[in-house]
Amino acid sequence: AQTVTQSQPEMSVQEAETVTLSCTYDTSESNYYLFWYKQPPSRQMILVIRQEAYKQQNATENRFSVNFQKAAKSFSLKISDSQLGDTAMYFCAFMKRENNDMRFGAGTRLTVKP
Amino acid sequence: DTEVTQTPKHLVMGMTNKKSLKCEQHMGHRAMYWYKQKAKKPPELMFVYSYEKLSINESVPSRFSPECPNSSLLNLHLHALQPEDSALYLCASSQGPRTEQYFGPGTRLTVT
Repeated sequence: AQTVTQSQPEMSVQEAETVTLSCTYDTSESNYYLFWYKQPPSRQMILVIRQEAYKQQNATENRFSVNFQKAAKSFSLKISDSQLGDTAMYFCAFMKRENNDMRFGAGTRLTVKP
Repeated sequence: DTEVTQTPKHLVMGMTNKKSLKCEQHMGHRAMYWYKQKAKKPPELMFVYSYEKLSINESVPSRFSPECPNSSLLNLHLHALQPEDSALYLCASSQGPRTEQYFGPGTRLTVT
């Protein structure tokens, strides 16, 4: 079974600063997908970024980027120029390539301070 | 339109009631999902429908009964629930079985 570990239950960052959220996973699969989802206090889950395991290039979406280290089974999220609207629970998720069973980490609660 | 809608937003029901949660998407997605999320916890997968057929049932108690009338609609029928079933129920959809999922806002269910 796949497990996803987010070792930082809570983090805070000053507005305009950069913060990195950690995620590690355990799998014997070679083909899979990794995601970061954001769940603001209003509760709707929003996809932040996705990474396909066979792609060596790290995914980037505007201020959000990942550091994907396949051998280390690490998938961290970097948020640059943090904004107040980035305050949310962030979930790292793993999905095997052959099915759509997505597993989430426990989440990291990020607070952006003015 | 990249929206998944869920109704109702809130639901309070007694343990003997029968109710249904509804989820709808008009993105042409062919996979739909039900998740259960307890407070301060990650979502837990309950059911997956792929091309309108149930493909994953994560050993969910029979008091939860999913239904997929067509590719745009997903229902979750509730009967004889327990107080521990109180949670946020999230619906999601994806273009196919191996792509990112888009979530609805959820239904906050309270069982009294």
